[in-house]
Amino acid sequence: EVQLVESGGGLVQPGGSLRLSCAVSGFTFSNSRMTWVRQAPGKGLEWVANLKEDGTEKSYVDSVRGRFTISRDNAKNSLYLQMNTLRVEDTAVYYCTRIHDYWGQGTLVTVSS
Amino acid sequence: QTVVTQEPSLTVSPGGTVTLTCGSSTGAVTSGHFPYWVQQKPGQAPRTLIYNTGNKHSWTPARFSGSLLGGKAALTLSGAQPEDEAEYYCLLSYTGARPVFGGGTKLTVL
Repeated sequence: EVQLVESGGGLVQPGGSLRLSCAVSGFTFSNSRMTWVRQAPGKGLEWVANLKEDGTEKSYVDSVRGRFTISRDNAKNSLYLQMNTLRVEDTAVYYCTRIHDYWGQGTLVTVSS
Repeated sequence: QTVVTQEPSLTVSPGGTVTLTCGSSTGAVTSGHFPYWVQQKPGQAPRTLIYNTGNKHSWTPARFSGSLLGGKAALTLSGAQPEDEAEYYCLLSYTGARPVFGGGTKLTVL
């Protein structure tokens, strides 16, 4: 059974940091390009960042570049998103996904004072 | 800034057929944009139905099909069911740039 389980979300003040994790099982993680997608309350999906299988190529949406860092540990079948200098507009459910097929259930990040 | 355009909302009768489209501000959508179609029901995580224009997963109901139509990506639902009521998002990939989601189409089966 395929599982993508996100964790690490929560309430943080503007300017703060959070690190999201995604634990993957059921498919070959090390062969998979992985993506973070977010969805602000009542809004559509927004592609945030992705990372090549071997971690050598990263891409970010303009609004998070320089503040967020995507990384992975293939030995642990895990994907991460380090989020720094958080803004109110970063409030969203963050999904870990292999876009092509599998999605996690998401973790809620709330940035508020 | 690339914009991917979808119909904000569509309504289809049970058993009817409806086509959702996905356009790009950069020009015609081609197979080189590797169009995806993602379904999201209220309160649920997204689910990918269609990849690379028209390929289906094992969980994709046969009544859904993807294609290119008039310079856009298209998702056609033939024989709509009440459980197909959902938000549908397309995702296009761009060479040398990040992928972009459309704004979504809210499909009502009524």
